[in-house]
Amino acid sequence: SYELTQPSSVSVFPGQTASITCSGIRLGDKYACWFQQKTGQSPVLVIYEDTKRPSGIPERFSGSNSGNTATLTISGTQAMDEADYYCQAWDSTTGVFGGGTKLTVL
Amino acid sequence: QVQLVQSGAEVKKPGASVKVSCKASGYIFTNYTLHWVRQAPGHRLEWMGWINAGNGYTKYSQKLQGRVTITRDTSATTSYMELSSLRSEDTAVYYCARDRSIVPYVPGDYWGQGTLVTVSS
Repeated sequence: SYELTQPSSVSVFPGQTASITCSGIRLGDKYACWFQQKTGQSPVLVIYEDTKRPSGIPERFSGSNSGNTATLTISGTQAMDEADYYCQAWDSTTGVFGGGTKLTVL
Repeated sequence: QVQLVQSGAEVKKPGASVKVSCKASGYIFTNYTLHWVRQAPGHRLEWMGWINAGNGYTKYSQKLQGRVTITRDTSATTSYMELSSLRSEDTAVYYCARDRSIVPYVPGDYWGQGTLVTVSS
């Protein structure tokens, strides 16, 4: 079955840029999306179709996807961005989530 | 505004079944696909399946195939997820999530509040 691999944790200082990767075989041939989940809350879509931001998501969130890796980038990270982040893609008609990355804002 | 309101927490014994509902409002129900996603305590999100709310067509994860059934009632704008032969590993928060279109491609433009299902003897 298809697998998506993420680092378990990423740390960043406020104002710096955070990058979270998601790796899968030929992931660049698929669309990736990203979800933010804060403790005790439902997930929130922050990026879809590799690079698109839903309305209401700040411009500091951006995405890319090429080769075997999709990347979520948060520029000028703020304390409110501290959360778990999950990537997602489709293996044919089956949904697959990555293992999640805990972003800590130091 | 789009809202997905799920039914309340459940406690079930091993071997039993559970049925969780997801009441949708604020949009045309039959124009979008609905997904069901679960999350065991401290674990990753797990996609369970989706239903085309227009024609009722469903697709399930291979892992849960045979135990999960997703349905919808268009007159009630509600989707249901039933999981049978429950085991302790099924203890999780279960979410419904609306796609961005009728063609499934983004499992979660809008999410329900989640329903905790606890399986315990």
